[in-house]
Amino acid sequence: DQQVKQNSPSLSVQEGRISILNCDYTNSMFDYFLWYKKYPAEGPTFLISISSIKDKNEDGRFTVFLNKSAKHLSLHIVPSQPGDSAVYFCAATLYMGRRALTFGSGTRLQVQP
Amino acid sequence: DGGITQSPKYLFRKEGQNVTLSCEQNLNHDAMYWYRQDPGQGLRLIYYSQIVNDFQKGDIAEGYSVSREKKESFPLTVTSAQKNPTAFYLCASSDSGTDSNQPQHFGDGTRLSIL
Repeated sequence: DQQVKQNSPSLSVQEGRISILNCDYTNSMFDYFLWYKKYPAEGPTFLISISSIKDKNEDGRFTVFLNKSAKHLSLHIVPSQPGDSAVYFCAATLYMGRRALTFGSGTRLQVQP
Repeated sequence: DGGITQSPKYLFRKEGQNVTLSCEQNLNHDAMYWYRQDPGQGLRLIYYSQIVNDFQKGDIAEGYSVSREKKESFPLTVTSAQKNPTAFYLCASSDSGTDSNQPQHFGDGTRLSIL
């Protein structure tokens, strides 16, 4: 039972344009959502997060939107840069005696120069 | 420079052999985690520890064991009971095992393969 889903395994955009990465979840008890970026042979790096009580969080070129009614969140990268090329993981968390992350399967973003 | 160090980067295991993956952090974090990543999948939780001398099973703990004798260290042993150990293993830590706004920070992983 995959509680966090990233249905697009890959995405290709032109440098300077907007990248939109999508994530859906099924568990309405999740109270915090995070995006991680991962390069090959490295661990994920925390990018940006959003609490379930908010609908938007912005940090520089990165903005995360949360639509609780649709159980959907998205990461917008504007403008996209070649260095943004990586695998992006959506993750969600709730406290049930522990606060571990439930990850999606990732979306590989390729930003073309 | 604060961070999480995993070693070795690559590890090979013979059939029937136990191997131990090292994870050390100097971030003074209370909580530590072990995840496993398989191709095309997200990370799955193996074990976690919220404080020293305490740890709990995650979603896929069978065939694995851990210890947390020191705050900085959370080694993972892959035992011979783990029938499909080939994977990329990631260790993470966070300031708190309960607060939602404390993101987990990851090491660079250990890739384990079976000979």
